[in-house]
Amino acid sequence: EAGVTQFPSHSVIEKGQTVTLRCDPISGHDNLYWYRRVMGKEIKFLLHFVKESKQDESGMPNNRFLAERTGGTYSTLKVQPAELEDSGVYFCASSQDLRGFTDTQYFGPGTRLTVL
Amino acid sequence: AQSVAQPEDQVNVAEGNPLTVKCTYSVSGNPYLFWYVQYPNRGLQFLLKYITGDNLVKGSYGFEAEFNKSQTSFHLKKPSALVSDSALYFCAVSHYSNYQLIWGAGTKLIIKP
Repeated sequence: EAGVTQFPSHSVIEKGQTVTLRCDPISGHDNLYWYRRVMGKEIKFLLHFVKESKQDESGMPNNRFLAERTGGTYSTLKVQPAELEDSGVYFCASSQDLRGFTDTQYFGPGTRLTVL
Repeated sequence: AQSVAQPEDQVNVAEGNPLTVKCTYSVSGNPYLFWYVQYPNRGLQFLLKYITGDNLVKGSYGFEAEFNKSQTSFHLKKPSALVSDSALYFCAVSHYSNYQLIWGAGTKLIIKP
């Protein structure tokens, strides 16, 4: 079974540019999550999809961040325009939702974003 | 508010010795606790979780963790450390009110030959 995949693995952009990160969850997983780890700090929750619907986007830092999950499959996270403080590692995870909040979330390798 | 603390930034252990990576939590109600590991240039890998039942949870790669409700702790342990265990370890908690994981800052584990 393929795991969670993320693309690209690294992205280096200039301040003010746009970047789109992609996540492909494990096949059949209805739940998809985005997290990020900035500057070696704690990993922080960004948002949670159930299929194509946003269940919880309380962690999204501001309106420069836009997440979508087309058809309940893969998800994209767009940052527009990027700022220096957006640099960090963005992780995607998915879970099967057999028992909700006790489900194991399986993570992708992350996308390292550097904003110059 | 929920929170997780990993009091040690780094833990150094000699190969073959037992290891402990500490985690304490603060959450109202029942906690659901997780340990993940991140090897260099890799993603987060699930090690084990505590939901309910036996306080001693066994996981991948010979790791185990002990849930202690009175001390609000969930320390990760292994009887005999391997050099290959060197990695960054994260403790996390979830709550019945939402699905998001709340994370500790991570502990770098270094196993010396």
